[in-house]
Amino acid sequence: EPEVTQTPSHQVTQMGQEVILRCVPISNHLYFYWYRQILGQKVEFLVSFYNNEISEKSEIFDDQFSVERPDGSNFTLKIRSTKLEDSAMYFCASRDSPTEAFFGQGTRLTVV
Amino acid sequence: AQSVSQHNHHVILSEAASLELGCNYSYGGTVNLFWYVQYPGQHLQLLLKYFSGDPLVKGIKGFEAEFIKSKFSFNLRKPSVQWSDTAEYFCAVSGRGYQKVTFGTGTKLQVIP
Repeated sequence: EPEVTQTPSHQVTQMGQEVILRCVPISNHLYFYWYRQILGQKVEFLVSFYNNEISEKSEIFDDQFSVERPDGSNFTLKIRSTKLEDSAMYFCASRDSPTEAFFGQGTRLTVV
Repeated sequence: AQSVSQHNHHVILSEAASLELGCNYSYGGTVNLFWYVQYPGQHLQLLLKYFSGDPLVKGIKGFEAEFIKSKFSFNLRKPSVQWSDTAEYFCAVSGRGYQKVTFGTGTKLQVIP
């Protein structure tokens, strides 16, 4: 069964460092999303991406965040200068129809 | 703006007990409704979804949910839970098309053998 894969599963970084979280969406999907879940809180939408551009972003997705689909298969989330409060589980999702978004297993980001 | 409320944050049940998890949503248009489950250490998986048609939706693992438009509710039910149902359950809503999915705060279900 096709699935969304995310790497790494866990990343520890120092405050102020840049991190790139990687996702490989399901191959024929065209709509991509990033969500995050701070420990003990709900899953929050960050950004949606279609046709090589951002289609919607939340207030959380400020100038420190960026997304890219560099090579037609990967979908990356970059955080330029991490803060302690960026520590969370980050989920990538992809869709080929409105009926269901498929989620990856997540990357746990710990900023120290 | 769309929002989702889940009333129960933590539910503890014995095996074979019946389950009902409440979910209310707020959205100014036609909605798509979902229940996702997250087993410990795993990713979000779709349990069931409602798009249109029969408001009683059946999903995997014996779960079902009923869409009541007048109450803006989409409660999740299972007649008899098992220990393996221990997980966190998220109600979610999106508008039509490929819009973002908005999640509720989740309900942690613990089933005691």
